[in-house]
Amino acid sequence: ETGVTQSPTHLIKTRGQQVTLRCSSQSGHNTVSWYQQALGQGPQFIFQYYREEENGRGNFPPRFSGLQFPNYSSELNVNALELDDSALYLCASASGDRPYEQYFGPGTRLTVT
Amino acid sequence: SQQGEEDPQALSIQEGENATMNCSYKTSINNLQWYRQNSGRGLVHLILIRSNEREKHSGRLRVTLDTSKKSSSLLITASRAADTASYFCATDDAGGFKTIFGAGTRLFVKA
Repeated sequence: ETGVTQSPTHLIKTRGQQVTLRCSSQSGHNTVSWYQQALGQGPQFIFQYYREEENGRGNFPPRFSGLQFPNYSSELNVNALELDDSALYLCASASGDRPYEQYFGPGTRLTVT
Repeated sequence: SQQGEEDPQALSIQEGENATMNCSYKTSINNLQWYRQNSGRGLVHLILIRSNEREKHSGRLRVTLDTSKKSSSLLITASRAADTASYFCATDDAGGFKTIFGAGTRLFVKA
């Protein structure tokens, strides 16, 4: 267990709806990254937050947005859900001085119907 | 698009055998990492090798890095059924904030 938790575990939404996924970082970690993993693929970087500011973003549209809170927990929001948004969403936390040593949560499985 | 490409896509071996997975990438890197993922769950960080290192060991794992060929290999010695998982290589991008994963190698270790 890494100490990174995500909720919910599974979620089923309808196309066009909005969803919020949550992540609680490992203690002492001030950096969080979110990834989307489609079935049979590697994780795709969505964005990263460092001390509550977005630190970088991958090739995802603006309907993917995030927040990091003062306690370094984080949210991923997806608006106007599309069928292709069905995937495993992973968050990973890291400390600022060792940003590449990421600790992943178990993921949220999102199904869009 | 994904920077890393693992080879093979899938590998099936007997318990006790060694498993070798390869990864190729496209751009210059600061470091390369290998992760393991069991049954679509969270990834577990296995090992990080920096661009100025050529080989690194951790228990039954041995990682090599050839920056001239932009490639890396992960060797698991004396494999066990519990090693059955997907293995991903990951590299940082030029800016250093983004980790880019390959599509993974699916390893099956038969008891």
